[in-house]
Amino acid sequence: DAGITQSPRYKITETGRQVTLMCHQTWSHSYMFWYRQDLGHGLRLIYYSAAADITDKGEVPDGYVVSRSKTENFPLTLESATRSQTSVYFCASSPGQEATNEKLFFGSGTQLSVL
Amino acid sequence: GQNIDQPTEMTATEGAIVQINCTYQTSGFNGLFWYQQHAGEAPTFLSYNVLDGLEEKGRFSSFLSRSKGYSYLLLKELQMKDSASYLCAVTDSNYQLIWGAGTKLIIKP
Repeated sequence: DAGITQSPRYKITETGRQVTLMCHQTWSHSYMFWYRQDLGHGLRLIYYSAAADITDKGEVPDGYVVSRSKTENFPLTLESATRSQTSVYFCASSPGQEATNEKLFFGSGTQLSVL
Repeated sequence: GQNIDQPTEMTATEGAIVQINCTYQTSGFNGLFWYQQHAGEAPTFLSYNVLDGLEEKGRFSSFLSRSKGYSYLLLKELQMKDSASYLCAVTDSNYQLIWGAGTKLIIKP
């Protein structure tokens, strides 16, 4: 049972390039989330999705795009990467059976460096 | 604004007990989570409190006081593998999760 997987694990890119981070879950969880984690900050929500074809902005959505055409996939795209987007990105999911007040299951993360 | 405060770093000795505090000011309250995160890894769920009181789960316990906006995570019989960051997160009235910056716990032999 793979659970929730992210790819790539590490990515180096240049400013201005488009980058897509992948997230795949095998549990058929309704909710999926994208967070970024930076030193000195708590996890910050970028985007989330309650179901296929339903997405909503989180706390820090600017410069990011998401889609969810299938329940199991939730890719995150940086349309034109900037140095401020250098961070560790975590995808997470939750079953969605009790509103949104459920524990999250996290992927292993993608460490992104924008040069 | 919404805010969660935790100590940045704590040090404890193997075999001892340590208490990690978390205070919060949020728009409403619908539950408090503790997660453990080892360096370079993903956060994993430890505990959830929505009512006042102590929840015990093996060597780990979590306490909540809603009137004081306060929680703590208590780790007993510390082991070297408990060296990690501990993240406190609160669900507000809109069911949005607000995260603290985490407490890095260093265990010394």
